[in-house]
Amino acid sequence: EIVLTQSPATLSLSPGEGATLTCRASHSINSYLLWYQHKPGQAPRLLIYDASYRAAGVPDRFSGSGSGTDFTLTISSLEPEDFTVYYCQQRRSWPPTFGGGTKVEIK
Amino acid sequence: QVQLVQSGAEVKKAGASLRVSCKASGYTFSTYGLTWVRQAPGQGLEWVGWISAYDGSTSYAQQLQGRVTMTTDTSTSTAYMELSGLRSDDTAVYYCARDPLLCSGPSCYGGSLEYWGQGSLVTVSS
Repeated sequence: EIVLTQSPATLSLSPGEGATLTCRASHSINSYLLWYQHKPGQAPRLLIYDASYRAAGVPDRFSGSGSGTDFTLTISSLEPEDFTVYYCQQRRSWPPTFGGGTKVEIK
Repeated sequence: QVQLVQSGAEVKKAGASLRVSCKASGYTFSTYGLTWVRQAPGQGLEWVGWISAYDGSTSYAQQLQGRVTMTTDTSTSTAYMELSGLRSDDTAVYYCARDPLLCSGPSCYGGSLEYWGQGSLVTVSS
């Protein structure tokens, strides 16, 4: 089973600042990496698929990069609604696995 | 539009069984799979398992093997997840999500979970 390690666990930033979240896979997953945003009381929302493609309706302040084992989700300028939890998921090896999450909180 | 509507919150006793439903609409049910994911209080997302709505094949998380059963009813476009022998650590919000994969295993990969149900809160009390 592929283990995904997200860092940092918590990111304390102010609105308007940029955020960089990382996800490291225990083995290569090519580009089969997704990012989800998860707000309390809501279903997870797909942000990025195939490591770097934005899902429909996702603002362009969100971008993804990486391949192999190291991946990054970048939020160029944080909006108030972006302060929540983000998860990566790999879809290269069965079973699909999630990272432990990064919480982006207001500083 | 694609919608997944799940059954409501449930409170169960430890040792009991649970069934959560996920009714799909807005797409051809049998041309997708469904993935189930759960989130325990204060924890991250955990993959529970997957079912093909095409042929009913399944794959379950190893830690739930023997307790979880996933089924589909193509006549009503509804997926079900049953969990038996409930324990307190099964307390979680359970989500279903439409999955483009119709197979499981080493040669099956890719796709993304774009559409999700609203979640079903399951509380297991002792």
